Amino acid sequence: GQQLNQSPQSMFIQEGEDVSMNCTSSSIFNTWLWYKQDPGEGPVLLIALYKAGELTSNGRLTAQFGITRKDSFLNISASIPSDVGIYFCAGSTPGSSNTGKLIFGQGTTLQVKP
Amino acid sequence: DTEVTQTPKHLVMGMTNKKSLKCEQHMGHRAMYWYKQKAKKPPELMFVYSYEKLSINESVPSRFSPECPNSSLLNLHLHALQPEDSALYLCASSQVLAGGPGGGQYFGPGTRLLVL
Repeated sequence: GQQLNQSPQSMFIQEGEDVSMNCTSSSIFNTWLWYKQDPGEGPVLLIALYKAGELTSNGRLTAQFGITRKDSFLNISASIPSDVGIYFCAGSTPGSSNTGKLIFGQGTTLQVKP
Repeated sequence: DTEVTQTPKHLVMGMTNKKSLKCEQHMGHRAMYWYKQKAKKPPELMFVYSYEKLSINESVPSRFSPECPNSSLLNLHLHALQPEDSALYLCASSQVLAGGPGGGQYFGPGTRLLVL
């Protein structure tokens, strides 16, 4: 089945640094979603992308829907300690449209050193 | 308001118990989902409801029984669970099924289930 390759698997950065993570697939996607999950909580939707080439910001977060429709990245600028958590990408393919099924990446664990 | 609520937050049950998890959203979303999540892993889809009808069952064992009493509520009935069923159970909702604008899924805080 379709898979999403999310990288890096983990990051340990200094407060104030910028962060970049991405998801790639061999399949075409028509929706990309980025989530953040804190320990013991549910994932929180950060950014939703629905169009190839779309670039969307949410505060210090910026995400892009790759022009090939096979990848997406998430950037976090000027990281702060509360950015700590696990970030998941998720998407749906044309084959799974209107089924509700999302494919998830394996997650990027972010740790920020004050 | 993008809130999905879930109760209880924690649940401990024996293998012979019957319990239910509850989920509620008041965003007018017409699609609702149950996921199971193990530590440090992505959520795994269990069930999808669209317009209060079950549209996807991801080959989930019958000891898990979903129910959608109305467009705002989603229940998951548990019976004769196994210790390996211990996990975080997440409910989510979306305006429409994933695949286009409005398909972004909003998750609740989850129920942490421990089966002894």
